[in-house]
Amino acid sequence: QIALKESGPSLVKPTQTLTVTCTFSGFSLTTAGEGVAWIRQPPGKALEWLALIYWSNDNRYSPSLENRLTITKDTSKNQVVLTMTNMDPVDTATYYCAHREPLGYFDHWGQGTLITVSS
Amino acid sequence: VLTQSPGTLSLSPGERASLSCRASQSVRTDYLAWYQQKPGQAPRLVIYGTSNRATGIPDRFSGSGSGTDFTLTISRLEPEDFAVYYCQQYGDTRVTFGQGTRLEIK
Repeated sequence: QIALKESGPSLVKPTQTLTVTCTFSGFSLTTAGEGVAWIRQPPGKALEWLALIYWSNDNRYSPSLENRLTITKDTSKNQVVLTMTNMDPVDTATYYCAHREPLGYFDHWGQGTLITVSS
Repeated sequence: VLTQSPGTLSLSPGERASLSCRASQSVRTDYLAWYQQKPGQAPRLVIYGTSNRATGIPDRFSGSGSGTDFTLTISRLEPEDFAVYYCQQYGDTRVTFGQGTRLEIK
């Protein structure tokens, strides 16, 4: 059964680069059709999709954040890593990773990790 | 852009809920989903492909629509259904979420 868990620093300073890791089990990113997405949610606000990586190594990014994001995968460790540069207090949010079902929807989510941006 | 309405819906247990999601451009019915989120929890998939219930979702939940207008209907509200609901369009190139509808107990 599929499970995902996010990990990363709880606090980052403005202008720093954030690195968050999604460690998953129950599927493989070497299997055709599989993917992992990152989504964030500022406190009390809506969900915002950030990035997606496919089994094929193809990536997709939110157009509004594309120049700050990089998503990579390590298939040997069953991990997906998201980096976001030049962090700002408005980037304070819970960051979720989710399994992208081959048909495209997100059927399993991690518990999320709260990242606070503050000096 | 996905626009959900109303922003907040106040209903009583046993009543019927209809949540709307309107897209700025046509969405393939294969690519429209709904998620439920309760406080302090991750979102949970409710409906995918416009009208397909996810695993474990009771049959009081149903989805419908096409083109730019989609609806999530809960036929008879149970206490555990009160939550925030998000619609999502997903394709091969990008993903967007609506701003959410809060379903609260009246």
